[in-house]
Amino acid sequence: DAMVIQNPRYQVTQFGKPVTLSCSQTLNHNVMYWYQQKSSQAPKLLFHYYDKDFNNEADTPDNFQSRRPNTSFCFLDIRSPGLGDAAMYLCATSGGRPSGAAPNEQFFGPGTRLTVL
Amino acid sequence: AQTVTQSQPEMSVQEAETVTLSCTYDTSESDYYLFWYKQPPSRQMILVIRQEAYKQQNATENRFSVNFQKAAKSFSLKISDSQLGDAAMYFCAYRLPGGGADGLTFGKGTHLIIQP
Repeated sequence: DAMVIQNPRYQVTQFGKPVTLSCSQTLNHNVMYWYQQKSSQAPKLLFHYYDKDFNNEADTPDNFQSRRPNTSFCFLDIRSPGLGDAAMYLCATSGGRPSGAAPNEQFFGPGTRLTVL
Repeated sequence: AQTVTQSQPEMSVQEAETVTLSCTYDTSESDYYLFWYKQPPSRQMILVIRQEAYKQQNATENRFSVNFQKAAKSFSLKISDSQLGDAAMYFCAYRLPGGGADGLTFGKGTHLIIQP
């Protein structure tokens, strides 16, 4: 089945130690998103790629970076994780459409739960 | 900036009964999209139902329907004949109709409990 896969499902890192979260998709969607979901809070968009075009949200900290080497894969890099970065990180994809057309559904992965010690 | 508010952190309903989850939003836009997503424990978020703001007719998907009140900026979800598998976090979300790549703005969610 076509899907969005996130690895690992659980990640533990140390304060200040760089960490990379991975997302892959078999849907061949041209848009990939990263959301941060802290405990008991709404998921918050960090950034997205439309094909190779990177779109950062204005309030996303510089500590968070992303790479998309090809259509299928997208990575979230946290350069120096702090205790406040502990959260669930959700990857999502969508087909993208021209302006004015109904939006395609966003398909979510199961998330990676990040713990910072 | 757009905001989405879900005022019910938790709701409980008896199996086979009907429950309504509330959502309000704030926007200055006239054209946008609204969604309800379901996130079961330890499982991925899936789309339940969507509504386009320019459509007056309320969306329905089997047991799920919405009450969209554009003037009041209200978008509630009604679940009829509740089933044990409906237990999950439910998120209301908003999206602008631009370019096809805009992200979702979510509410904080409502935890729905189904009592057998």
